[in-house]
Amino acid sequence: DQQVKQNSPSLSVQEGRISILNCDYTNSMFDYFLWYKKYPAEGPTFLISISSIKDKNEDGRFTVFLNKSAKHLSLHIVPSQPGDSAVYFCAASARKSGNTGKLIFGQGTTLQVKP
Amino acid sequence: DAGVIQSPRHEVTEMGQEVTLRCKPISGHDYLFWYRQTMMRGLELLIYFNNNVPIDDSGMPEDRFSAKMPNASFSTLKIQPSEPRDSAVYFCASSFGRLINTEAFFGQGTRLTVV
Repeated sequence: DQQVKQNSPSLSVQEGRISILNCDYTNSMFDYFLWYKKYPAEGPTFLISISSIKDKNEDGRFTVFLNKSAKHLSLHIVPSQPGDSAVYFCAASARKSGNTGKLIFGQGTTLQVKP
Repeated sequence: DAGVIQSPRHEVTEMGQEVTLRCKPISGHDYLFWYRQTMMRGLELLIYFNNNVPIDDSGMPEDRFSAKMPNASFSTLKIQPSEPRDSAVYFCASSFGRLINTEAFFGQGTRLTVV
């Protein structure tokens, strides 16, 4: 049972435009969400996170939106740059339920930003 | 800190052989995770430890897989006997679980090829 789903395996956008990566989850106990970025031959690195008490978190060009009723979150990158080309993973955890450390990841979306 | 250190970076072994993957978490972190990256399931959580104690091993695919954490600075993931379908990239990650809003830090991964 895939509790965190990224239904788009890949996304291609033009440099300077907006990239929108989507993620859906099924477990209503999830209360903390993260996005990781992964380059080839490297481990995933943390990008941005959001707590379930918020619906938006912004960090520079990166903004994460959370829609709890729809169990959906998205990552917006504006403007997109060629260096953003990577695999993006969505992750979720249920902190308040006691599983403070357990992170469940989605399948990943490969973003290609064309110059 | 050097970050999460995994060894080896690459492992090629013959079917039926025992494989041992190693991980050194970030000093002071109390959670350690083992993930496997596959195309179909993305980053799949295999097992995680809290204060060296295995908390959830429900992601371990078969009895051929085992993991240990003899102390706070070392963990192993062992596959015995290995099979070609075990070929994947295996990641170790660690985090400081006492901070509610904190991310996990990943190692660079071990690419395992079983022929």
